[in-house]
Amino acid sequence: EAQVTQNPRYLITVTGKKLTVTCSQNMNHEYMSWYRQDPGLGLRQIYYSMNVEVTDKGDVPEGYKVSRKEKRNFPLILESPSPNQTSLYFCASSLSTGLEKLFFGSGTQLSVL
Amino acid sequence: AQRVTQPEKLLSVFKGAPVELKCNYSYSGSPELFWYVQYSRQRLQLLLRHISRESIKGFTADLNKGETSFHLKKPFAQEEDSAMYYCALKGSNYQLIWGAGTKLIIKP
Repeated sequence: EAQVTQNPRYLITVTGKKLTVTCSQNMNHEYMSWYRQDPGLGLRQIYYSMNVEVTDKGDVPEGYKVSRKEKRNFPLILESPSPNQTSLYFCASSLSTGLEKLFFGSGTQLSVL
Repeated sequence: AQRVTQPEKLLSVFKGAPVELKCNYSYSGSPELFWYVQYSRQRLQLLLRHISRESIKGFTADLNKGETSFHLKKPFAQEEDSAMYYCALKGSNYQLIWGAGTKLIIKP
């Protein structure tokens, strides 16, 4: 089945403990992106990638890192999580940078204590 | 500035009544707009794009450049339309700019 797979679905951690949220797509999409969703704010883009080894900052990149070593994978790394990074995170992909249609993962609810 | 505004956080209508979810945008170029929907326990998914000028699940949306709006409409609401709806604008720099979302509740 064509889809975007995010793991884990739920994650509780403590301040400062490095974590990685994985994202993988099996549709050979060029474009991948990470968003965070907070109440009343909609989706805000953290980072995006137009292709392998090409990544760029979105609107709220502080405290996050990404990598795109392979076309299918786009992990989100929090080197030193803080409570203000408690949020619902979504990975998404699109066939091209035209963003005609985004395919979303099921989301990761992260709580940083 | 590039911005999308959905003025209603919550919209509640009765089954069979017309529905209009509002979306206003701010963009200096030629806008490309989308509606995404998230049903309960499902992933966020594309509902429609203004470029396609299509009707999906009975919903339509017309781009009004004069009023900078892209309201989503359906003449007769159904209970299965209950969901979270997001309006999005394709901005510069390969980004989608999102509204805060409107939760639509269809009452039986």
